[in-house]
Amino acid sequence: ELKVEQNPLFLSMQEGKNYTIYCNYSTTSDRLYWYRQDPGKSLESLFVLLSNGAVKQEGRLMASLDTKARLSTLHITAAVHDLSATYFCAVDTSLTQGAQKLVFGQGTRLTINP
Amino acid sequence: EPEVTQTPSHQVTQMGQEVILRCVPISNHLYFYWYRQILGQKVEFLVSFYNNEISEKSEIFDDQFSVERPDGSNFTLKIRSTKLEDSAMYFCASSEGFGQRDYGYTFGSGTRLTVV
Repeated sequence: ELKVEQNPLFLSMQEGKNYTIYCNYSTTSDRLYWYRQDPGKSLESLFVLLSNGAVKQEGRLMASLDTKARLSTLHITAAVHDLSATYFCAVDTSLTQGAQKLVFGQGTRLTINP
Repeated sequence: EPEVTQTPSHQVTQMGQEVILRCVPISNHLYFYWYRQILGQKVEFLVSFYNNEISEKSEIFDDQFSVERPDGSNFTLKIRSTKLEDSAMYFCASSEGFGQRDYGYTFGSGTRLTVV
């Protein structure tokens, strides 16, 4: 059974600092998603990482995927308050297990303090 | 930008009652999903649906749950006899493809179900 583990689960940081959220998964997959969720809201797609070595950047967020290590990272550069949210990684099992579903990590609740 | 629409946004129901959650997926999408999120927890897969039948379901999706695509646009999740532990946010999602490398999942805004 595929397991997806994020760490840290809670992260409080100051504006202007850099930090990384880690997402490990237990079985082979070559498609991984990062989502942002604000309190009480839906899941906003941030990145889709489709292959080993994929790196994508949008503003202060950068995501990468290492399929050999089964690891994805979400790096935050010079954090600003607006980035406060819960961030989820999710692994797509459709290509490797033939099952149409996403398996989510537990989420990382990020709080950025002024 | 195309959206997945869910109604109602919030539903309160008494334990033992039946509820139907409604979703309108993106029109050219072929694959439909329901996920749920208990407050403060991770998002969990319930069921996927393609070509008018269930293609995958989780252990959570037991006999009290059913899905249907009653017409060309709606996709519904029915919970026959609600329990307190069914209280959660339910998200509908849709995607264009399966096994293709460049599709994504679009999530709706969710229905918050509260069972009292």
